[in-house]
Amino acid sequence: GENVEQHPSTLSVQEGDSAVIKCTYSDSASNYFPWYKQELGKRPQLIIDIRSNVGEKKDQRIAVTLNKTAKHFSLHITETQPEDSAVYFCAARRNDYKLSFGAGTTVTVRA
Amino acid sequence: NAGVTQTPKFQVLKTGQSMTLQCAQDMNHNSMYWYRQDPGMGLRLIYYSASEGTTDKGEVPNGYNVSRLNKREFSLRLESAAPSQTSVYFCASLDGRNTEAFFGQGTRLTVV
Repeated sequence: GENVEQHPSTLSVQEGDSAVIKCTYSDSASNYFPWYKQELGKRPQLIIDIRSNVGEKKDQRIAVTLNKTAKHFSLHITETQPEDSAVYFCAARRNDYKLSFGAGTTVTVRA
Repeated sequence: NAGVTQTPKFQVLKTGQSMTLQCAQDMNHNSMYWYRQDPGMGLRLIYYSASEGTTDKGEVPNGYNVSRLNKREFSLRLESAAPSQTSVYFCASLDGRNTEAFFGQGTRLTVV
């Protein structure tokens, strides 16, 4: 089955700096890679995603990159703000719709 | 349009008791999921249903059963609850044409 590994588990950054979270997946049948943000006490919500036929995608201050050969994908947040503090999850979905998540990264943005 | 609705929101069980967590979505989504969330372990997939009439095991299915009652509803049953099943449980659904998975508000289950 799919195994999604996520690093680091915690990340503390100064406001205005960048944050990078990295994930690897094991199942070659995975073809879609979403990222979710979960604020304290709330449900996870999609922030950005990338399909297997795309190498990079950007949406304002967040971007995601995918290296299919190495089975790596990463989330980049630039110009971090206090409201970016949350838990971030990467995920990988197979073509049979099995959706597996990483263990999460707790991001703290210091003012 | 309520999205994904889970009941109950909170539950305390004694070891050995059984219960069913209910999940319903009103977005006409084909695929539905059950996850458990424990500190430091992320969202672990228990079972999923890619479409009405099918269910498949996820990464941590032991101790659980599921029923895809119809396209809208996907229930999770604990036959004999154990303290190790203390967790927050999330139901999610998605439409294969669009890719975003929508989550319910979660059920906080404590087994004593």
